[in-house]
Parts: sequence; structure tokens; C-alpha cells
Amino acid sequence: SQKIEQNSEALNIQEGKTATLTCNYTNYSPAYLQWYRQDPGRGPVFLLLIRENEKEKRKERLKVTFDTTLKQSLFHITASQPADSATYLCALDPSYGNNRLAFGKGNQVVVIP
Amino acid sequence: NAGVTQTPKFRILKIGQSMTLQCTQDMNHNYMYWYRQDPGMGLKLIYYSVGAGITDKGEVPNGYNVSRSTTEDFPLRLELAAPSQTSVYFCASSSGGRYNGYTFGSGTRLTVV
Repeated sequence: SQKIEQNSEALNIQEGKTATLTCNYTNYSPAYLQWYRQDPGRGPVFLLLIRENEKEKRKERLKVTFDTTLKQSLFHITASQPADSATYLCALDPSYGNNRLAFGKGNQVVVIP
Repeated sequence: NAGVTQTPKFRILKIGQSMTLQCTQDMNHNYMYWYRQDPGMGLKLIYYSVGAGITDKGEVPNGYNVSRSTTEDFPLRLELAAPSQTSVYFCASSSGGRYNGYTFGSGTRLTVV
């Protein structure tokens, strides 16, 4: 069956350090993968998209990598700040182009001042 | 720019009651979606629409109905509420371009008692 797996344990990290989250998937061949941020009581907010032919994508302090051989994406927050504390979701399109995202369960990040 | 607006924000229903969750977007997006999010379970796709007059089932459609008479509106109907429908419901929209992210509403927290 198709699965999108994110670590269920919260990541506690010291302010200023780099937070790294992992998204693994099985039985998908996605053309792209997306990352979202979700704060408590709010809807997810789109952060970044990386295509299957891209190895790395950056946006400000965020960096995403995509390894289609390992079926894995890594999400990095550099120089983390308390305001980065949230849950981060990875998502991909199992319908290959029909634009219907499937989401992982999310991984919580807590940045400690 | 309001984005995606969901109403109500909170609702308590009794078993067997019906209600409609409203969703409207002002971005002229063709694609709209309804997801539910249960604690620790991630977002599950209920229904989606690729344009006015066109809807289709997602992963968990049982107990729900949708309609899409305009580009802007995509209401979700619960006909006979059951405790299993206690969840947070998110509406989202997308321009439908293959590499565009979703815009989510702020959610409706529904409790069925």
C-alpha cells in the first residue's frame, strides 16, 4: 500500500541550530513533493515544492532535498528560531499530475530559546 | 485578499443531525478540496472538484456529499452525523497548475455527540 511516513516524535532543537525533518514514501512515483507548515488551530500553509528532477530547493532559511532513489525528502530549517515551532507536513500527488495531494501525518518542531 | 474562508469555525452536532460546512475562495481557483484531520492521523481527502459542476470522491467520502455550482463555493454536506465524523475539516483550493501549492482555510472543528 502507499505510505507517506514522517517521524511521530517531536523534534526539540536549540535556537540557532539546524532542524532536519525526514519524509519517506513507499509505492509512489511522485512528480513533485511539497512541504507545509501548520500551527495549532490553523490550516496548513504551503512552504516549498520540489520537482522530481531537482535535488535541492531553497527558500530563505529553508532547504528541501528530494532523492527519488531513496524515496525520501529532507526538510531543513537553518538558524532555527522559536517562531519556527510548528508542525511540518510533507505531501505528494499519488495521482501523478491530477493534483490531488496525499499528506504525511506531520512532524512537530519545538525550538527552545 | 481573503483567500479560502470556512464557516462555521466550531460546531457541535447531535447524532443524526445534518449540516453544511461552507467554503468559499476568492482566488478564481478551479481546484477545490475537502480534507479531514484527526489527531495523529494526518489529512485525509474527502472530496475534490476540478471546476464548477465537476466533483469526485477522495479517500474517505462515505457520509459526505458535495456540490460545486460556482467557481467560488464548495460546500460539504453531512446528512446523518455520526460520532466518527468528529474531526477538523479543512477546505483548500489550488489553481490546478501542476507545481502549485494549496491554499487552506482555517478549518471547522466539528464534534458529534
